[in-house]
Amino acid sequence: EDKVVQSPLSLVVHEGDTVTLNCSYEVTNFRSLLWYKQEKKAPTFLFMLTSSGIEKKSGRLSSILDKKELSSILNITATQTGDSAIYLCARDSGTYKYIFGTGTRLKVLA
Amino acid sequence: DADVTQTPRNRITKTGKRIMLECSQTKGHDRMYWYRQDPGLGLRLIYYSFDVKDINKGEISDGYSVSRQAQAKFSLSLESAIPNQTALYFCATSDWGQGATDTQYFGPGTRLTVL
Repeated sequence: EDKVVQSPLSLVVHEGDTVTLNCSYEVTNFRSLLWYKQEKKAPTFLFMLTSSGIEKKSGRLSSILDKKELSSILNITATQTGDSAIYLCARDSGTYKYIFGTGTRLKVLA
Repeated sequence: DADVTQTPRNRITKTGKRIMLECSQTKGHDRMYWYRQDPGLGLRLIYYSFDVKDINKGEISDGYSVSRQAQAKFSLSLESAIPNQTALYFCATSDWGQGATDTQYFGPGTRLTVL
């Protein structure tokens, strides 16, 4: 079965902490991996990763793909309460559709 | 105005009722998707469509049907709703293959409760 697994399932940290979220998958040949942030509504796009080893950054968030390890990580530095959300990763499964992981629920305490 | 809209936003219905969820988009994308989200299970693909004449089943299509009335409209129907179809439903669009981002753009979601 082609799966995308995210870890941890949930995480509670304090403001200012740095967190690393993991996304692992099982196939070697794919086009792209996406990260989304979901607050109380629709997922919003964070990053698209296509090449191994090239970090994408946006403010305090960064992400990188490791195709050798079949995984991707999302880092958030100096966390804020506004970072509290579910973080989803999705890997394309060919034919223009994506497989989503179960998500990591992050809660940042003030 | 939102690029991807869904109606209704919330719906409570009874077992056995037929219900339709509607999705409209102004992004001009050919590709449209219906997902359901359940706690602990992430987003699962129900149906997807690459154009008006192309409809495909996703991983959990049983109990659902869809209609692509136009490029901008993609409806999801539950012919006879059952309680385990209680979930949050998302419509999404994509310019994959047409644009450079492969990104999916999500609607605001419909929270469906089947009693």
